[in-house]
Amino acid sequence: KAGVTQTPRYLIKTRGQQVTLSCSPISGHRSVSWYQQTPGQGLQFLFEYFSETQRNKGNFPGRFSGRQFSNSRSEMNVSTLELGDSALYLCASRAGTGSSYEQYFGPGTRLTVT
Amino acid sequence: QQQVKQSPQSLIVQKGGISIINCAYENTAFDYFPWYQQFPGKGPALLIAIRPDVSEKKEGRFTISFNKSAKQFSLHIMDSQPGDSATYFCAASFRDTDKLIFGTGTRLQVFP
Repeated sequence: KAGVTQTPRYLIKTRGQQVTLSCSPISGHRSVSWYQQTPGQGLQFLFEYFSETQRNKGNFPGRFSGRQFSNSRSEMNVSTLELGDSALYLCASRAGTGSSYEQYFGPGTRLTVT
Repeated sequence: QQQVKQSPQSLIVQKGGISIINCAYENTAFDYFPWYQQFPGKGPALLIAIRPDVSEKKEGRFTISFNKSAKQFSLHIMDSQPGDSATYFCAASFRDTDKLIFGTGTRLQVFP
């Protein structure tokens, strides 16, 4: 079974621009979460989606948004980019049914804001 | 209340030795405690996880010990190998949410 895939893998943007990152979960997984990883703040939760509904949101400004499609694929968008948004953005998927709590991460998208 | 405190920040172990990483939490509502392994340039990989109704879980060379009363859990890596050199993160989540709260990470180096 293919793992979580994220595109693009690397991205360089300029301050003030916006960016859209994409995540395809493991086949059959219905739950997708996003995390930001930086050396200073570590791994921080951004959002959680299940069946196209946002179930939970982390403490990030409104410039960070996301959505999930009917095929469980998810996108996150960051508008008006700031230098501090430079990070590794990780997507994780979970089956979302039964008692399985296991979440599997993708390789991440490395965003650099200049 | 939602923090997970991880120690040590870095760990150097000789090949064949035991690596021990500790985590502590405050919120007793946490319901799931996974450990992730991350290599440079890769996403975190789920290593092993435990629920609070179990005190120990073993998978191969990896063991989680869970002390509910002390609100602590730890990862033991037996017979540590150079290939285990990576950053390890503990995490915790509440029931009915996928939101993982991560520890700050431990950089493990295993020398031959």
